[in-house]
Amino acid sequence: GIQVEQSPPDLILQEGANSTLRCNFSDSVNNLQWFHQNPWGQLINLFYIPSGTKQNGRLSATTVATERYSLLYISSSQTTDSGVYFCAVNNDMRFGAGTRLTVKP
Amino acid sequence: GAVVSQHPSRVICKSGTSVKIECRSLDFQATTMFWYRQFPKKSLMLMATSNEGSKATYEQGVEKDKFLINHASLTLSTLTVTSAHPEDSSFYICSAQTWEGLLGDTQYFGPGTRLTVL
Repeated sequence: GIQVEQSPPDLILQEGANSTLRCNFSDSVNNLQWFHQNPWGQLINLFYIPSGTKQNGRLSATTVATERYSLLYISSSQTTDSGVYFCAVNNDMRFGAGTRLTVKP
Repeated sequence: GAVVSQHPSRVICKSGTSVKIECRSLDFQATTMFWYRQFPKKSLMLMATSNEGSKATYEQGVEKDKFLINHASLTLSTLTVTSAHPEDSSFYICSAQTWEGLLGDTQYFGPGTRLTVL
């Protein structure tokens, strides 16, 4: 099956810093989503982005399908951005291992 | 926005009992629902995919007689953990998928159910 790898596994930032999270996948995909899992376990959709670039406030994402990777950018990070960020691919949503982000005040 | 509920949010039971978890899409009809299991500080592991009115498709290694899935309608799917044992303790998350035009097939996740088997 398709392999999904995320990096880095852990990331600690000072409030206000920018960051880039990466998602590599081993085969072509028809669906890719980024999620944020908050400390209570709720998964929140961030982006549906099988290709191209999207922006939503301080967050943006880019997927280069031909090179099999996607990037999530977080600018001017806030403590509320802390949590785990997952990418998931294809209609049956195969998840990567996630990036655990901690934003310190 | 699309909302998915799960009930109960937390359950503690004795070993050997069965536990039913409900997953509902509140404001949309879901073509497909998914059940995931998540261990502490780990990723989500897909357990099964269910479509309304048909048998669920289980992932390799997931016991279908242990984890019974019923998808009775386009807004409700249930997961029953039968004869639960301590190793079944986990965080179970459902998601409901719907077609959103330009957004394609989008999944919305429930808040999860934390199961503890004593």
